[in-house]
Amino acid sequence: GAGVSQSPSNKVTEKGKDVELRCDPISGHTALYWYRQSLGQGLEFLIYFQGNSAPDKSGLPSDRFSAERTGGSVSTLTIQRTQQEDSAVYLCASSLFNRGGGAFFGQGTRLTVV
Amino acid sequence: AQSVTQLDSQVPVFEEAPVELRCNYSSSVSVYLFWYVQYPNQGLQLLLKYLSGSTLVKGINGFEAEFNKSQTSFHLRKPSVHISDTAEYFCAVFKEQAGTALIFGKGTTLSVSS
Repeated sequence: GAGVSQSPSNKVTEKGKDVELRCDPISGHTALYWYRQSLGQGLEFLIYFQGNSAPDKSGLPSDRFSAERTGGSVSTLTIQRTQQEDSAVYLCASSLFNRGGGAFFGQGTRLTVV
Repeated sequence: AQSVTQLDSQVPVFEEAPVELRCNYSSSVSVYLFWYVQYPNQGLQLLLKYLSGSTLVKGINGFEAEFNKSQTSFHLRKPSVHISDTAEYFCAVFKEQAGTALIFGKGTTLSVSS
């Protein structure tokens, strides 16, 4: 597609439920990133996929968070047993292997846990 | 590991005044440097980037940034700001080698008033 697409744009869920957030990267981009943006916290790195390499999961805040990338394209971020502190905007970005062009961001999914 | 420090969380300025948003990074290897802008209720947009070559880089909307290797800084400047420049600005760094995510500073909120 022309840009990074994320769905849903907004998600309200009850505490304790699981949620799945989807990211469609720009076609041809081998690298995909997930970030979390909370008020006053900037962009917190969560996980990074690069081609067929093992993902860098060092930013995932707990074992309730997981992500996968199927076929080197679409990615799903899953949050199990959501907590109120998980409320944030979840941003996905993609880039070429040669990252000199920078990363391109989707519009994000605003997650609200009630 | 690399890190990014944005020295000012908020910068208030009057319209047509000059502005500088400060960014320092730490890394043991060569890096690519970026500034992103996020306008209210919008996604992140690439403002400018430094990869190599001239240390002064120009971006969109009249912004420019200067890479200073000895001071490990990449400060963003604009000689005369407009109300429409009100936004949050993020400094970010990639290691040149693939295999790492884009790391962001915590952001600087630029508020331009008349």
